[in-house]
Amino acid sequence: DTEVTQTPKHLVMGMTNKKSLKCEQHMGHRAMYWYKQKAKKPPELMFVYSYEKLSINESVPSRFSPECPNSSLLNLHLHALQPEDSALYLCASSISGTTNEKLFFGSGTQLSVL
Amino acid sequence: AQSVAQPEDQVNVAEGNPLTVKCTYSVSGNPYLFWYVQYPNRGLQFLLKYITGDNLVKGSYGFEAEFNKSQTSFHLKKPSALVSDSALYFCAVRAVSGTYKYIFGTGTRLKVLA
Repeated sequence: DTEVTQTPKHLVMGMTNKKSLKCEQHMGHRAMYWYKQKAKKPPELMFVYSYEKLSINESVPSRFSPECPNSSLLNLHLHALQPEDSALYLCASSISGTTNEKLFFGSGTQLSVL
Repeated sequence: AQSVAQPEDQVNVAEGNPLTVKCTYSVSGNPYLFWYVQYPNRGLQFLLKYITGDNLVKGSYGFEAEFNKSQTSFHLKKPSALVSDSALYFCAVRAVSGTYKYIFGTGTRLKVLA
């Protein structure tokens, strides 16, 4: 299994809603990432978990809250988002520190905040 | 600080002709370099990488890239373009040591004309 699975594929939410994005991989990767991507722009790193501990937080607003319950699962909890948070949210995973280094991406969750 | 530059927003090439998508980078130490491709409303797919060794790297779908340390470049090439190669291409860099931080270039839209 060489896939990163993200759910849901599409999400529409109001500014007062609470929702969660889910990401799962069964490749044994110990690094997992959340990226935000606006249309026709590069992915922007939000968070990195390494061995289930938060390793990087790129000064992301607190309305985004990541969680890594186990080595296969990564969540992104959303609360009180703004319309400008509408974007494609990409999850990725990697084996790090070896010559097999590379990111495996999920297909993303297209988020619209109304 | 790490950075990646893709100087062309768009590259147009006729089907059957060779293509080049340019990438230059700035990173302290020896970099890990990657190319990814993105089709509409999808995540990024890995094409190829340079970690060490031979400067000419071969990847998926007939793509190759040449690492040039003196020019700090990692241009993506293909000898004969296909219409199905039309997509958004991202160059990315990761410093070798101590970080999971991948930096992506701004992307180059490749349009292959029939």
